Amino acid sequence: DTGVSQDPRHKITKRGQNVTFRCDPISEHNRLYWYRQTLGQGPEFLTYFQNEAQLEKSRLLSDRFSAERPKGSFSTLEIQRTEQGDSAMYLCASSFNRGADTQYFGPGTRLTVL
Amino acid sequence: AQTVTQSQPEMSVQEAETVTLSCTYDTSESNYYLFWYKQPPSRQMILVIRQEAYKQQNATENRFSVNFQKAAKSFSLKISDSQLGDTAMYFCASLFKNAGNMLTFGGGTRLMVKP
Repeated sequence: DTGVSQDPRHKITKRGQNVTFRCDPISEHNRLYWYRQTLGQGPEFLTYFQNEAQLEKSRLLSDRFSAERPKGSFSTLEIQRTEQGDSAMYLCASSFNRGADTQYFGPGTRLTVL
Repeated sequence: AQTVTQSQPEMSVQEAETVTLSCTYDTSESNYYLFWYKQPPSRQMILVIRQEAYKQQNATENRFSVNFQKAAKSFSLKISDSQLGDTAMYFCASLFKNAGNMLTFGGGTRLMVKP
């Protein structure tokens, strides 16, 4: 079990640029989640997938954000026309749809928008 | 809307002593789970312990145990024999099965274990 992995770990970009993050879940997990965490706060839910279907999206997920999980395995989160307010840690988690549905987190991608 | 509240932004404890972190939640749902996660400085979120709301028995994992008071909607975490490696942010979270499967987190408690 290699755990949830995320790439890149850090991203610095200029305002207005597009960025894309990748998440690879634990291999047998069919659910994948994206959260955003700002400094000193708890994570906030953005969206989640069951297999390749995107089942929930938060109101936090503006039109500039899009997420995909094309083959039900890895997922990408793209932010278009980044703004300074997008600076945060973007966390990915995965779970197996059974019982407590315990979510296991990756190390996160820290985004800094200059 | 579901809410989770952690009323202690920061706490400290001497090594080898016991500390309790508080968490309250608000929901009208009946089918839910509660979690405590640990986030060490610059490191990833790790599950500490979970509690199924339908179970009356409090969950225990080695030095970590919870006091789950369902009627009071309270879910505190007790850390016994605190170790330096317990220094971290601790987040309480809830998952309501009939209201999506996302975790709702509290604001966190920063715990410092002192030698």
